[in-house]
Amino acid sequence: EAQVTQNPRYLITVTGKKLTVTCSQNMNHEYMSWYRQDPGLGLRQIYYSMNVEVTDKGDVPEGYKVSRKEKRNFPLILESPSPNQTSLYFCASSSIFIRQGEGYEQYFGPGTRLTVT
Amino acid sequence: TQLLEQSPQFLSIQEGENLTVYCNSSSVFSSLQWYRQEPGEGPVLLVTVVTGGEVKKLKRLTFQFGDARKDSSLHITAAQPGDTGLYLCARDNTDKLIFGTGTRLQVFP
Repeated sequence: EAQVTQNPRYLITVTGKKLTVTCSQNMNHEYMSWYRQDPGLGLRQIYYSMNVEVTDKGDVPEGYKVSRKEKRNFPLILESPSPNQTSLYFCASSSIFIRQGEGYEQYFGPGTRLTVT
Repeated sequence: TQLLEQSPQFLSIQEGENLTVYCNSSSVFSSLQWYRQEPGEGPVLLVTVVTGGEVKKLKRLTFQFGDARKDSSLHITAAQPGDTGLYLCARDNTDKLIFGTGTRLQVFP
């Protein structure tokens, strides 16, 4: 089954304790992206990657790191989490060769709810 | 970053009613996508509109792209409880999508 998986689904942690949220896709997609979703602010992009070893900042990259060592994986790293990073996080992937009009169809994971106390 | 404004923010209706939600921007965009997000899940693409004035239908859902390509609407006919969810519009911006704030729809039986 084609899917994007994220782990963990729920995480409660304390300020300053480094954490990693994993993301994996089995569709051989080149493009992967991380978003955070907050009430009233919608989905905002954190980082994205067009292919292996290629990553770029999105709209809200501060406090986050990513890596793309393999095509299927795109982990999100919070080196020193703070309470303002409490949010619902989504990983997404798409093929850059299959465009819907001018845009890519993005496939989203089920989300990771992170609470930083 | 050009934000997309969606209205209304919340909508609660009875089964069988019709509704329209809107997505507006101050700038022209090349294409627009509509996603639906159900509780506990990620957004799922419903449709992409590309041409000004374009109308696409997906069963009881009708999507329209404004002539000037600055706005879009989603009309649901005879809403069902299964239509409940968060409806998001998103515009293409080079290598990323910019999402609207969403319309949360609740359809009661």
